[in-house]
Amino acid sequence: QKEVEQNSGPLSVPEGAIASLNCTYSDRGSQSFFWYRQYSGKSPELIMFIYSNGDKEDGRFTAQLNKASQYVSLLIRDSQPSDSATYLCAVLGNQFYFGTGTSLTVIP
Amino acid sequence: NAGVTQTPKFQVLKTGQSMTLQCAQDMNHNSMYWYRQDPGMGLRLIYYSASEGTTDKGEVPNGYNVSRLNKREFSLRLESAAPSQTSVYFCASSEVPGGDGYTFGSGTRLTVV
Repeated sequence: QKEVEQNSGPLSVPEGAIASLNCTYSDRGSQSFFWYRQYSGKSPELIMFIYSNGDKEDGRFTAQLNKASQYVSLLIRDSQPSDSATYLCAVLGNQFYFGTGTSLTVIP
Repeated sequence: NAGVTQTPKFQVLKTGQSMTLQCAQDMNHNSMYWYRQDPGMGLRLIYYSASEGTTDKGEVPNGYNVSRLNKREFSLRLESAAPSQTSVYFCASSEVPGGDGYTFGSGTRLTVV
């Protein structure tokens, strides 16, 4: 079992829709959770982090954490073509683990 | 601020050649990391340095060595390159181990033929 699991996609949504990206993790003691965006041929860029159960909003992005279910998600509202990228989930427990990423395409 | 700077951006090596990938950060971060990224494998940690003067193995250290030259610089050396080391290499840094996420360099695309 991988430490962090993500659906590789690809996920396609129309412009203006909500994109929902999901991630599960195995270490119940994990404390911090991160979402990175990686454009093709570029390096990962941190977009959000969340520590506590519930929702955290930053502009069009909302991170949701449910520690009991060991589940973290990222919602992107009003999706734009510029949001087309691979989204990496990362979890900090006793070590820092990255998921393999979900590819998102926003269709104009 | 430049953030995390990696050199070179591209490199082609012949099997058995050696090279050093350079990384420098100007954010006064304590911790630095080297990852490789391969299709379908995600980011895998090669080595990390939690603080100046310390280095530790990550998930895939075989075939690599590192040097934490000072607080700013963390280099990765391939002593005898193999085709299996063809990958994209990222350096990253954080204020403390894990911390509030990592800042990544722009990456080095390495091909070993």
